[in-house]
Amino acid sequence: DVKVTQSSRYLVKRTGEKVFLECVQDMDHENMFWYRQDPGLGLRLIYFSYDVKMKEKGDIPEGYSVSREKKERFSLILESASTNQTSMYLCASSFVDAGELFFGEGSRLTVL
Amino acid sequence: GDSVTQMEGPVTLSEEAFLTINCTYTATGYPSLFWYVQYPGEGLQLLLKATKADDKGSNKGFEATYRKETTSFHLEKGSVQVSDSAVYFCALNPFSGGYNKLIFGAGTRLAVHP
Repeated sequence: DVKVTQSSRYLVKRTGEKVFLECVQDMDHENMFWYRQDPGLGLRLIYFSYDVKMKEKGDIPEGYSVSREKKERFSLILESASTNQTSMYLCASSFVDAGELFFGEGSRLTVL
Repeated sequence: GDSVTQMEGPVTLSEEAFLTINCTYTATGYPSLFWYVQYPGEGLQLLLKATKADDKGSNKGFEATYRKETTSFHLEKGSVQVSDSAVYFCALNPFSGGYNKLIFGAGTRLAVHP
């Protein structure tokens, strides 16, 4: 079975803390993505990566950064968490030219 | 720019009722279209897809036909079950700029009651 694993299902952090969300895929996919899911807004792309050490901004990159040091791992970093970053974060991966994305189960982050 | 519009939910149905969730899109070129489903507490998983006009995607009793003339990809099921309760997302891949980036609709929550 293909698998995208997100390190934490639930996190509670305080305003100003640095937050790391990690994602690992075992399918040798080139592309990896971080989405944010909010009610009524659907999924919005934060960042994506098409190769190791390569990254591109999505639609809402402000307040976030990413790291991809190995092909299978893609990390989302909140340098200084704020309450408006309380959300569900979804990692996904795909082959470079295939339409289907494979998603992890999500990480629900609450910033107090 | 490219976008996807879905009917607002929640949609509430009784078991064995007919389901339609409307999806329309705006895109230049020839996008691929998808329906993803998110069951409670889980991530999204692909339900069905269509890659060109007039294609019909189908899976688990769900169907959707890629209609270029009406820019639509409506999801249908003839007889829903309680286990179909989930959030359904319509998405498109515009294939612009490469990288396989999907654009998602806002999602439609379906609740099926016995």
